[in-house]
Amino acid sequence: QTVVTQEPSLSVSPGGTVTLTCGLSSGSVSTSYYPSWYQQIPGQAPRTLIYSTKIRSSGVPDRFSGSILGNKAALTITGAQADDESDYHCVLYMGRGSWVFGGGTKLTVL
Amino acid sequence: DVQLVESGGGLVQPGGSLRLPCAASGFTFSSYWMHWVRQAPGKGLVWVSGINSDGSSTSYADSVKGRFTISRDNAKNTLYLQMSSLRAEDTAVYYCARDRSSAFDTWGQGTMVTVSS
Repeated sequence: QTVVTQEPSLSVSPGGTVTLTCGLSSGSVSTSYYPSWYQQIPGQAPRTLIYSTKIRSSGVPDRFSGSILGNKAALTITGAQADDESDYHCVLYMGRGSWVFGGGTKLTVL
Repeated sequence: DVQLVESGGGLVQPGGSLRLPCAASGFTFSSYWMHWVRQAPGKGLVWVSGINSDGSSTSYADSVKGRFTISRDNAKNTLYLQMSSLRAEDTAVYYCARDRSSAFDTWGQGTMVTVSS
């Protein structure tokens, strides 16, 4: 069973930069996994930030960027703001019509 | 505006069944893959099932295979999730989502399903 890994929690100072990662328990993440990222405030539906590794969804500020860093997908927030404090989820397309989410990262801005 | 609206959630006993509709509007529903994603209380997102644009191909997470059935009615712009043999661990908010480039680009507000006696 493939497990998608994310940092359980991270913190960043206002105005700072933070990178969240999305990896595999076995193997490397590549663009072929079509990594995508979602922001979720507890109690609300997810909001799509990034798809196909690095394409920003409509209306998403350019301080959110996606990439492949080493063997993981990455979401970088540059110039963090207070309202970036949320849960962040990544998902990978595993092929054969199957997707697997990571466990999510709780980001604190302080 | 592109919109997805789920309904049909509620309290159901273990072993029971429930059907969740998701009404789509603001886009050409019949052109898109669609998915169901769930989130148990306090937990992360879990992909449940997906269906291609004409309904001829479906896929399921192992945890629901054989118990859940995804379907769609393109004439009614509606996606469905038929859930049977429900278990306590199926308790979650269920979201429908539109597919774009193998990601989920539009989400509904979710509907809560509680499996309990």
